Amino acid sequence: NAGVTQTPKFQVLKTGQSMTLQCAQDMNHEYMSWYRQDPGMGLRLIHYSVGAGITDQGEVPNGYNVSRSTTEDFPLRLLSAAPSQTSVYFCASNPGTGGFGELFFGEGSRLTVL
Amino acid sequence: GENVEQHPSTLSVQEGDSAVIKCTYSDSASNYFPWYKQELGKRPQLIIDIRSNVGEKKDQRIAVTLNKTAKHFSLHITETQPEDSAVYFCAVWMDSSYKLIFGSGTRLLVRP
Repeated sequence: NAGVTQTPKFQVLKTGQSMTLQCAQDMNHEYMSWYRQDPGMGLRLIHYSVGAGITDQGEVPNGYNVSRSTTEDFPLRLLSAAPSQTSVYFCASNPGTGGFGELFFGEGSRLTVL
Repeated sequence: GENVEQHPSTLSVQEGDSAVIKCTYSDSASNYFPWYKQELGKRPQLIIDIRSNVGEKKDQRIAVTLNKTAKHFSLHITETQPEDSAVYFCAVWMDSSYKLIFGSGTRLLVRP
């Protein structure tokens, strides 16, 4: 199993541009989530999904959209990038059954918005 | 929503000493409390967790204690080694919200 795969690993955008961070998992996990990590602020939840067709907002959802059309994929879209969205983004998944347990993280995507 | 506070933000200890990191949370319905370790440039990885029906859990040199009445839980690392140097995050989960909320992290430095 590859686990949780994120692409791209690095991206530079100009203010106002749009892009999609891809996340895929091959563990048949129901639960998937996106976090952003900024210095001194830990990991903040952007959006999450408890299964295909279901998404919900986390702590910092503004400026981001998600969709979950399949169990495997959970893309994160930035519609109009802003410098405040410069961050490291982590996708993570969990089986979602039998009580919550370990969250499996991807390697992260470093985004810079100029 | 859930609020998780983590202290201290940085911690420097001598090799062989113990390190303690504490987290407090606000929602009494929280029922799962994991700790993650993140080395520089790497992804966070689970090192230990505890559920609300347990007061303490140990795994070799690391342990977690939970006080549900006071709504706080702590990570204890004994006999620290240089490879323990990393950022540690606590987190809190509630079944009702499906959200895993993280603390702001503690940077641990173990001096040889």
